[in-house]
Amino acid sequence: DVKVTQSSRYLVKRTGEKVFLECVQDMDHENMFWYRQDPGLGLRLIYFSYDVKMKEKGDIPEGYSVSREKKERFSLILESASTNQTSMYLCASSLSEMGKPEAFFGQGTRLTVV
Amino acid sequence: AQSVTQLDSHVSVSEGTPVLLRCNYSSSYSPSLFWYVQHPNKGLQLLLKYTSAATLVKGINGFEAEFKKSETSFHLTKPSAHMSDAAEYFCVVSDLGGNKLVFGAGTILRVKS
Repeated sequence: DVKVTQSSRYLVKRTGEKVFLECVQDMDHENMFWYRQDPGLGLRLIYFSYDVKMKEKGDIPEGYSVSREKKERFSLILESASTNQTSMYLCASSLSEMGKPEAFFGQGTRLTVV
Repeated sequence: AQSVTQLDSHVSVSEGTPVLLRCNYSSSYSPSLFWYVQHPNKGLQLLLKYTSAATLVKGINGFEAEFKKSETSFHLTKPSAHMSDAAEYFCVVSDLGGNKLVFGAGTILRVKS
């Protein structure tokens, strides 16, 4: 089975802190994604990466950056955390292979910024 | 651009009765469509997927969905609800490249005993 692991289930950070959320997948997937989940809004794409060192902005990239130095690891960075970034963050991975577009998700990190 | 509309934010059914979660999509091409389920404090799990093969798709836990191009719909059904089905369900469409997913706002399913 595909396993996507997020380093923390719960995080509490202070306003202005630099925050790192880590994600690791073990199935050699090319694509990796960071989503933000808020009630009533579904999942919104922050950034995705289709290869090592490659990244593309999603729908809500403001206030975030990402890093992908190795194929299995995709990090989300909040440069200066703000209270409006309190949310559930979900990492996912998928193959680039045609006919297999489904994504596999981690358990999520619930971030609270105080 | 692709989009998904889940027509009900909340659905409540009694245990043992049928479940219907409605989803309409908008796409300029023939998309891949998915239903994901999220139980409280859990990640998302793939229930089923449509990728241009059979229009009636069977998934896990007795769920199925039918792709209707003429109605641009992909509704999720189950003949008999179980208490363990209580969760949030997301209808999802893939983008043209098949790499990015666009999510609906979600439907919270409540199952009454």
